[in-house]
Amino acid sequence: DAKTTQPNSMESNEEEPVHLPCNHSTISGTDYIHWYRQLPSQGPEYVIHGLTSNVNNRMASLAIAEDRKSSTLILHRATLRDAAVYYCILRGLIPNNYGQNFVFGPGTRLSVLP
Amino acid sequence: DTEVTQTPKHLVMGMTNKKSLKCEQHMGHRAMYWYKQKAKKPPELMFVYSYEKLSINESVPSRFSPECPNSSLLNLHLHALQPEDSALYLCASSPQGEPSNQPQHFGDGTRLSIL
Repeated sequence: DAKTTQPNSMESNEEEPVHLPCNHSTISGTDYIHWYRQLPSQGPEYVIHGLTSNVNNRMASLAIAEDRKSSTLILHRATLRDAAVYYCILRGLIPNNYGQNFVFGPGTRLSVLP
Repeated sequence: DTEVTQTPKHLVMGMTNKKSLKCEQHMGHRAMYWYKQKAKKPPELMFVYSYEKLSINESVPSRFSPECPNSSLLNLHLHALQPEDSALYLCASSPQGEPSNQPQHFGDGTRLSIL
């Protein structure tokens, strides 16, 4: 059982910023917020992760709400190569009832229009 | 390019065959995972090895048998599979043993078709 909810799909125009939302209202204090993406015919690819503060790396930025119940992955300039399924996942040191601490939800399918 | 290497990339087998999927990583990671992914669905966890010991078995049928010969190598032995086992099988690794909050690094998978 995934502990996050995301929109099923989103569209963006090429070279425009994209904000991908994720809700995780039951997040615990030790859960990190991870983002992965899966391009067609590839395995999931790590994008970014954070605990409380906003994070930036070469791929994206992660904005975390002050109460940590939601977060937003920001792609600053979408390209056609960013079209993928984006997964927001909580990962912590306390597993769920099934012994898992890393559960994929359905994710958001991002389409990028030229 | 991925640092987790899976072979073969594609595999077609009959229901009576025995085959193995292989996964390697040379990043010194101490946890390795097998996932199954059906078309248009998210990956589902099958097995976790932490410090070369099986730590989670998600009630996977016994026709799937994992093996971790050393810290860099993970195998998935297949025997008497069913058509519904056709899927993409993904391997991943993570720097620390479980439980961990570190990222997982995925291979590009083996696409398995059962005739």
